[in-house]
Amino acid sequence: EIVLTQSPATLSLSPGERATLSCRASHSLSTYLAWYQQKPGQAPRLLIYDASNRATGIPARFSGGGSGTDFTLTISSLEPEDFAVYYCQQRSGWPPGWSFGQGTKVEIK
Amino acid sequence: QVHLMESGGGVVQPGRSLRLSCAASGFTFSHYDMHWVRQAPGKGLEWVAYISHGESNNYYADSVKGRFTISRDDSKTTLYLQMSSLRADDTALYFCARGFAPNYFDSWGQGTLVTVSS
Repeated sequence: EIVLTQSPATLSLSPGERATLSCRASHSLSTYLAWYQQKPGQAPRLLIYDASNRATGIPARFSGGGSGTDFTLTISSLEPEDFAVYYCQQRSGWPPGWSFGQGTKVEIK
Repeated sequence: QVHLMESGGGVVQPGRSLRLSCAASGFTFSHYDMHWVRQAPGKGLEWVAYISHGESNNYYADSVKGRFTISRDDSKTTLYLQMSSLRADDTALYFCARGFAPNYFDSWGQGTLVTVSS
């Protein structure tokens, strides 16, 4: 079983600042990792897949990077609507299973 | 556009059963793998079950294996989750999600709340 560990648990920043979120996997994922954003009372939204590809309609201020076991999600300049919880996610090869990190909350400082 | 709408949640006693539905529209449902993902109150996301397009493969999280069954009716463009032997720790908001790429989830419903309590 592959475990995803996100850090920090909470990130306190001001609008306009840069946010860097980390996701570490217990085994190599190559680049098979995604990031999701979830706001209170809403479903998650796919932001990044295959570590660095932005999903349809996602603004360019969101970028993903990394490979193997270490991945980052960067928000270049925080907009008010970006304050939310972010999850990383992977799929295990065999037996197939999908799992998420525990989440990073980006809150307004 | 893609639309997923879950229904069937409610309050149920431990040990009882419940069936969730997810009505899909805006895409060719039969062409896509589908999932159920849940979120306990105030907690993170937990993948629950997967069904392939064509229904050839189903996979389950260990926490629900043997108790939950995922199925689909492509003629009704509806996904189901039959839940039995429910426990208190099954209490969660249950989302259906469309499979993508194929490792990810690109569209989600708004969820249906299941509360297991006596």
